[in-house]
Amino acid sequence: DAKTTQPTSMDCAEGRAANLPCNHSTISGNEYVYWYRQIHSQGPQYIIHGLKNNETNEMASLIITEDRKSSTLILPHATLRDTAVYYCIVRVADSNYQLIWGAGTKLIIKP
Amino acid sequence: GAVVSQHPSWVICKSGTSVKIECRSLDFQATTMFWYRQFPKQSLMLMATSNEGSKATYEQGVEKDKFLINHASLTLSTLTVTSAHPEDSSFYICSAVTGSSQPQHFGDGTRLSIL
Repeated sequence: DAKTTQPTSMDCAEGRAANLPCNHSTISGNEYVYWYRQIHSQGPQYIIHGLKNNETNEMASLIITEDRKSSTLILPHATLRDTAVYYCIVRVADSNYQLIWGAGTKLIIKP
Repeated sequence: GAVVSQHPSWVICKSGTSVKIECRSLDFQATTMFWYRQFPKQSLMLMATSNEGSKATYEQGVEKDKFLINHASLTLSTLTVTSAHPEDSSFYICSAVTGSSQPQHFGDGTRLSIL
């Protein structure tokens, strides 16, 4: 599975959009981009995933560049409860479901 | 949907005892379940992959005789930490998945403290 690179930490003001970047320059054509977050002392929470097209759900939007070498997770109106570590993971959607967890981005939402 | 329940949330026990952690998929059938361990300020580390009705596949360095995994049904997997010692103290997290390309859904974790 391709490796991802994320900033170590980011701040965002409450109510503003939080944009979290992820570089995955070695991504293969059959690898999906997954985003999870982990709030302190809880299990990870699935946010969104995509292959080529931009995706949106009730939690966030995922923007994938045309060359698929990077993506951005957008939380449209960040709240204090969005403070968490956000993980960008790429993996092939086959019988091997393993997720390789990097260090993620520590997102701090400030009032 | 896609709720995974993990029990207990936290446990404190004496060194040498065995501890069982349950992981249940409440509203879906999980073809595969995973067990992770997370030490403070570190990322999740996969311990083993479990498919219903078959033996678990353990990651390198994880002792299968110490961390017993049973996946008896499509909605339940258990992890038993046998003869636990203080170095086994950690945050244990399970996840479940329904099929390829589908995301893993995680339980809320079990904080294990061995005295």
